[in-house]
Amino acid sequence: EAEVAQSPRYKITEKSQAVAFWCDPISGHATLYWYRQILGQGPELLVQFQDESVVDDSQLPKDRFSAERLKGVDSTLKIQPAELGDSAMYLCASSVPLQRGGSYEQYFGPGTRLTVT
Amino acid sequence: QKEVEQDPGPLSVPEGAIVSLNCTYSNSAFQYFMWYRQYSRKGPELLMYTYSSGNKEDGRFTAQVDKSSKYISLFIRDSQPSDSATYLCAMSASGGYQKVTFGTGTKLQVIP
Repeated sequence: EAEVAQSPRYKITEKSQAVAFWCDPISGHATLYWYRQILGQGPELLVQFQDESVVDDSQLPKDRFSAERLKGVDSTLKIQPAELGDSAMYLCASSVPLQRGGSYEQYFGPGTRLTVT
Repeated sequence: QKEVEQDPGPLSVPEGAIVSLNCTYSNSAFQYFMWYRQYSRKGPELLMYTYSSGNKEDGRFTAQVDKSSKYISLFIRDSQPSDSATYLCAMSASGGYQKVTFGTGTKLQVIP
């Protein structure tokens, strides 16, 4: 069964350092998402790609976060410099339209758990 | 006020119980209502979705949407220990690249 791949699974970094996460969506999924999930909360959308284009990055803290999906396949999310408040699970998802259309079924990867010390 | 409100629990029930999980929302544009299940240290997975109002059943799971009250529910019948997970409601408007908004999740524990 096809899955969304993410790496690393765990990352510990010191504040002010740079950190990067990688995601490989399910083959053929044009839409890719990066979410941040703080413990005890639901996923919060950071950025959404359609192929290589950003369609929503309104919640991405652009002073320190960047995301790219250069060839419309895999994607990288970067944080520089990392802050203590960035400690969270970073989830990548890709999607297909719901059978009915109009919205999407999202397939999530296992996430990268980031701890900033 | 958050667009989607969900009781965080935790909810602890004995095996075989009927479980009711609920969310309220404020955005009238929401048309798609989804329930995701998230096991510990895993990403969420879609359980079921409903378009607009009404009920939908899938095995032991039933999703209900009451748009007039802006209230959705997920019922789990004959709950099993394997149902122990966090359940996230999620919603979106229709069309285009509509953002999916998640609730905070309800942590469920089914005790054997």
